[in-house]
Amino acid sequence: QKEVEQDPGPLSVPEGAIVSLNCTYSNSAFQYFMWYRQYSRKGPELLMYTYSSGNKEDGRFTAQVDKSSKYISLFIRDSQPSDSATYLCAMMMDTGRRALTFGSGTRLQVQP
Amino acid sequence: EAGVTQSPTHLIKTRGQQATLRCSPISGHTSVYWYQQALGLGLQFLLWYDEGEERNRGNFPPRFSGRQFPNYSSELNVNALELEDSALYLCASSLVAGGSGNTIYFGEGSWLTVV
Repeated sequence: QKEVEQDPGPLSVPEGAIVSLNCTYSNSAFQYFMWYRQYSRKGPELLMYTYSSGNKEDGRFTAQVDKSSKYISLFIRDSQPSDSATYLCAMMMDTGRRALTFGSGTRLQVQP
Repeated sequence: EAGVTQSPTHLIKTRGQQATLRCSPISGHTSVYWYQQALGLGLQFLLWYDEGEERNRGNFPPRFSGRQFPNYSSELNVNALELEDSALYLCASSLVAGGSGNTIYFGEGSWLTVV
């Protein structure tokens, strides 16, 4: 079993829809949670960063972390065709080893 | 402000040769990380350098090595190249301390093709 599980998709939604992307994890030592967006053949771009449990909002993006369920989510409101990309969740422990563990990524397509 | 920059963008090497990839972190960042993104395998942690020292290493053989220079730039060397080393190599940087310093920013990557 992988430490971080993420549905690979593809997830196809119409423009303007609310998108929900999720990851589950097995290691309770993860403390830092990040979401990256990766366009084809480009490097990952940091979207959201959260420490421990809670919600964080930035524009159209909301990140949620539920450590009791080992479940994290990214919501995208009013989705746009430019949001079409692969979304990667990533996690890191607070041990000083500073190695991110990534999910496999979910490919999102927003249809105009 | 410039982000993480990597060179070369693309590199083609023959099996058995050596490849050298270079990375400049965001100004003020002292930590540099290397990740491999091979097709179908996702991002895998390779190496972490901070203040010129190797701090952590992923599950890769010793032929993957690197170093960090006094200006915090870094280079990744891959010796005795194998076909399965073909991948996108991503460099990232961050501040060292906790809190928001744990946010890690990636460059655009270097595509290595081994033929």
